[in-house]
Amino acid sequence: QKEVEQNSGPLSVPEGAIASLNCTYSDRVSQSFFWYRQYSGKSPELIMSIYSNGDKEDGRFTAQLNKASQYVSLLIRDSQPSDSATYLCAVNPNSGYALNFGKGTSLLVTP
Amino acid sequence: GAGVSQTPSNKVTEKGKYVELRCDPISGHTALYWYRQSLGQGPEFLIYFQGTGAADDSGLPNDRFFAVRPEGSVSTLKIQRTERGDSAVYLCASSLAGLNEQFFGPGTRLTVL
Repeated sequence: QKEVEQNSGPLSVPEGAIASLNCTYSDRVSQSFFWYRQYSGKSPELIMSIYSNGDKEDGRFTAQLNKASQYVSLLIRDSQPSDSATYLCAVNPNSGYALNFGKGTSLLVTP
Repeated sequence: GAGVSQTPSNKVTEKGKYVELRCDPISGHTALYWYRQSLGQGPEFLIYFQGTGAADDSGLPNDRFFAVRPEGSVSTLKIQRTERGDSAVYLCASSLAGLNEQFFGPGTRLTVL
């Protein structure tokens, strides 16, 4: 079974700190990787996509991918209370296919 | 531009009834996906359309679930003889053909009493 694993948390960080969210996946042929943010009672919102090994930065967010270790992470710099949400890791093997989601990591940024 | 829209936002029904959930994707998006999400879980894939055809329906849990997309735009997820275990948030997402970035609608919360 193709699995995506995330620590459910909650991960608690103080305001202004770096939050580090991690995800591992079992399907070696996975090609596309995504991070979604989901506020309580809302639907997932795409915040980052990454396709190649290495780092990808977008504002306060950095996604990191290591295909050899089957590991993808999301760093949030200068964390804000508004970043408090569940972060979902999603992978898929190829273009146009369904996403396989982890259960999500709950992040709490405390003022 | 307009995002993915879903109606109704909430649906309460009784066990054994039939329900239809509607999804209107982002204009120009040819790929459409249905997922469902239970509390504390990530979205679980149900079915994927490329254009009018169901390219992958491997996630549909049983034959009570069916989805259509007759004109390649709006899609309807149909659930027959609903069961209490069908209660969940049903999410629709769309993407441009050939790309993986999927954008979700607000979801329909289905409650089966």
